Amino acid sequence: AQRVTQPEKLLSVFKGAPVELKCNYSYSGSPELFWYVQYSRQRLQLLLRHISRESIKGFTADLNKGETSFHLKKPFAQEEDSAMYYCALSRAGNMLTFGGGTRLMVKP
Amino acid sequence: NAGVTQTPKFRILKIGQSMTLQCTQDMNHNYMYWYRQDPGMGLKLIYYSVGAGITDKGEVPNGYNVSRSTTEDFPLRLELAAPSQTSVYFCASSYRGGLNNEQFFGPGTRLTVL
Repeated sequence: AQRVTQPEKLLSVFKGAPVELKCNYSYSGSPELFWYVQYSRQRLQLLLRHISRESIKGFTADLNKGETSFHLKKPFAQEEDSAMYYCALSRAGNMLTFGGGTRLMVKP
Repeated sequence: NAGVTQTPKFRILKIGQSMTLQCTQDMNHNYMYWYRQDPGMGLKLIYYSVGAGITDKGEVPNGYNVSRSTTEDFPLRLELAAPSQTSVYFCASSYRGGLNNEQFFGPGTRLTVL
């Protein structure tokens, strides 16, 4: 069965510090992975998808199949990055399996 | 476009009552989904639909029913509400069902069963 694990419920950093939100997955097929974000009082929205190999708002994520990880990174955190971040794995039919989420707090 | 809209925003039910959570999207998306999110947990898929007239179970379908009579609407029905159904419910939609299709989420409905 597929599973997505985000080991940290809360991650607190100072503005300008590097950020790494961890995501590990288990899946027997070829994984398609995403990061979704929910800012305060906003809807859950897509941040980035691994297949696009894109950088969004300074965030990047690399799929490491050997370590079954898809960690989200940003070299210099900003206060506006404070939000809930969810790692998700897509399977047949575009059904998403979500991790439990990590709350990122960026302190001034 | 309003995107995905959900009503009501909040609801308190007594054990054994029933209700329907409404979800509508105006993006002409074929795929629609219902998730629930329990406190401190990730979202879990309840039901999904790949088009009007077609629905299928997700991970946690017990205690719920859905229908999809139009492309726009995907209501979720709770029969005989139980405290275990206290959760935040999210509706989502996507244009296609391909693996890399972005899902667009509604604002959620917070349901408490007492």
